[in-house]
Amino acid sequence: QVQLQESGPGLVRPLETLSLTCGVSGYSISSGYHWAWIRQPPGKGLEWIATIYHSGSSYYNPSLKSRVTISLDTSKNQFSLKLTSVTAADTAVYYCARDPYSTSSGSFDYWGQGTLVTVSS
Amino acid sequence: DIVMTQTPLSSPVTLGQPASISCRSSQSLVHSDGNTYLSWLQQRPGQPPRLLIYRISNRFSGVPDRFSGSGAGTDFTLKISRVEAEDVGVYYCMQATQFPRTFGQGTKVEIK
Repeated sequence: QVQLQESGPGLVRPLETLSLTCGVSGYSISSGYHWAWIRQPPGKGLEWIATIYHSGSSYYNPSLKSRVTISLDTSKNQFSLKLTSVTAADTAVYYCARDPYSTSSGSFDYWGQGTLVTVSS
Repeated sequence: DIVMTQTPLSSPVTLGQPASISCRSSQSLVHSDGNTYLSWLQQRPGQPPRLLIYRISNRFSGVPDRFSGSGAGTDFTLKISRVEAEDVGVYYCMQATQFPRTFGQGTKVEIK
């Protein structure tokens, strides 16, 4: 059973960089599949942020692409998100999930519990 | 980007009665491999989203058979045959046919 767990600071100051990590257990990310970050502002809907493959190739939401970097650390079996120059609009619950690409379901089938990141001074 | 539009945005339902949610995409979700990557997710209050239905009509592991999905091309429907108290939450359709992945606005199902 694949399990994912987000970690990182719950508070980030405006214009600084948000950094989150997703630890994966039950599966070696170097073996395959794609891995994704999704966010949800309080009381609002879901927004896909980025996806990365075990080879390192990545895909970004065009609306965030200039500020986002997704990366893998196969030695720690985790992947990470960096979002630069944050504003209050980046306040959200951030989820990591297994991306639909090449899964049998073709959907986000495994999710972390999510971590709330608040942007405030 | 493919825009996903759900209706209604709110659905008050009596326990034991059916519920239906529609989802329309701004372009066909048929992938070049022949599959249609339209899914439905359920988000209970305070919980992460959970996969219910994938590729239009397939129930994910552990999903009760009162949930069903149908549709083709650009028009899709999620049906709950008899709503139970545990079904309260927000339901999202989403497409993974192409990047960027996109979600519908969500439909809130609540008990009357």
